[in-house]
Amino acid sequence: NAGVMQNPRHLVRRRGQEARLRCSPMKGHSHVYWYRQLPEEGLKFMVYLQKENIIDESGMPKERFSAEFPKEGPSILRIQQVVRGDSAAYFCASSPPPGQARFFGSGTQLSVL
Amino acid sequence: KNQVEQSPQSLIILEGKNCTLQCNYTVSPFSNLRWYKQDTGRGPVSLTIMTFSENTKSNGRYTATLDADTKQSSLHITASQLSDSASYICVVSASTNSGAGSYQLTFGKGTKLSVIP
Repeated sequence: NAGVMQNPRHLVRRRGQEARLRCSPMKGHSHVYWYRQLPEEGLKFMVYLQKENIIDESGMPKERFSAEFPKEGPSILRIQQVVRGDSAAYFCASSPPPGQARFFGSGTQLSVL
Repeated sequence: KNQVEQSPQSLIILEGKNCTLQCNYTVSPFSNLRWYKQDTGRGPVSLTIMTFSENTKSNGRYTATLDADTKQSSLHITASQLSDSASYICVVSASTNSGAGSYQLTFGKGTKLSVIP
């Protein structure tokens, strides 16, 4: 029973390019959450999705950022026209019902040059 | 505003010693409190989850306490090992009325623990 899988582990992009981060939740989990972590900072909520639905995107910037969790396949966090300030570790987590234990992936470290 | 404050920010202890990490929160309405361990370059791993009615919960050498009246929690690590070196994060969940369950988590910045031989 594989855990939450994120890829790539490291992603390097130049300013203006697009970044696509993927997250496959644990088997049986239909709730996915994305977080961003800056060095020496706590994780900050970005978006909460269920299959084919965005439940809460209040933590995600309105511009350039989007997320999806299609019926088939992984959840995708997409950042268009990346800027240096987007450099961070992006973590995905999944859970059965949201009040239960949340399992995190190993994260994607995004570096924008 | 929901906040979680942890102390100390960092801690260095000798292998085999015990230590206690602190967490204060101002999250309302409270649903549950979680402690996570995060190794460098990895995602957080859950250690304990406690609800309002629970005062103590153990997981091996980790024991978490919760005082919901004073809104404080602690994580006690017994007989520390080198592999305990990591950041320990206190996370508090707020209840919601949306029917979607308590999914809003507020994360502390963590206590960075270094265990040295």
